[in-house]
Amino acid sequence: QVQLVESGGGVVQPGRSLRLSCAASGFSFSSHGMHWVRQAPGKGLEWVAATSSDGSLRFYVDSLRGRVAVSRDNSKNTLFLQINNVGAEDTAVYYCARENVGHTSTWFDLWGQGALVTVTS
Amino acid sequence: DVQVTQSPSSLSASVGDSVTMSCRTSERVSNFFNWYQQKPGRAPKLLIYAASTLQSGVPARFSGSGSGTDFTLTISSLQPEDFAVYFCQQTYITPPYTFGHGTKLEIK
Repeated sequence: QVQLVESGGGVVQPGRSLRLSCAASGFSFSSHGMHWVRQAPGKGLEWVAATSSDGSLRFYVDSLRGRVAVSRDNSKNTLFLQINNVGAEDTAVYYCARENVGHTSTWFDLWGQGALVTVTS
Repeated sequence: DVQVTQSPSSLSASVGDSVTMSCRTSERVSNFFNWYQQKPGRAPKLLIYAASTLQSGVPARFSGSGSGTDFTLTISSLQPEDFAVYFCQQTYITPPYTFGHGTKLEIK
């Protein structure tokens, strides 16, 4: 079954770190760039981070630069996201998404179910 | 970074109506542009990619158009299951791949 499954969500105290995982199955994980997108409660989608298919390239949203790290383990078909020194503004549902690329565009054609992270003391 | 402005923020329509929503980017993005549908408590679902290509399995009543900086999503003959939030996204060259703020399509 082609799917992405996030894990690692839950309650995180302010100032601590959050670490999420995204397990891929049913497709060639190492052939695709992968992304993290988050959605604060009642808000829109915010693109957060991305990694190329081999993990050599990493991209981050400016607002998180310095606090965020994306990585992947292609041997385990798993994508990771770590955000350090979290605050209330990091409370959100975090989605991982698969990138697909054509001649004339790039799109996210497979999404995980999302992992809710709540930052609270 | 490329900014995406989506309008309207909300839209009210009846089953059977046709509706259109729009997005504008701050720079030309060719047709590196996508549309997603999101229902409450669910992950976004890809509807249209490359500005006008219908994703497999998506009903033909959904259509996308545009290139450069201006893009539209049209839903013809609205069905009850179409009432949701719609997001547009630019994916030009390299990340960040920014989203519009969404259009909430509500039943009139």
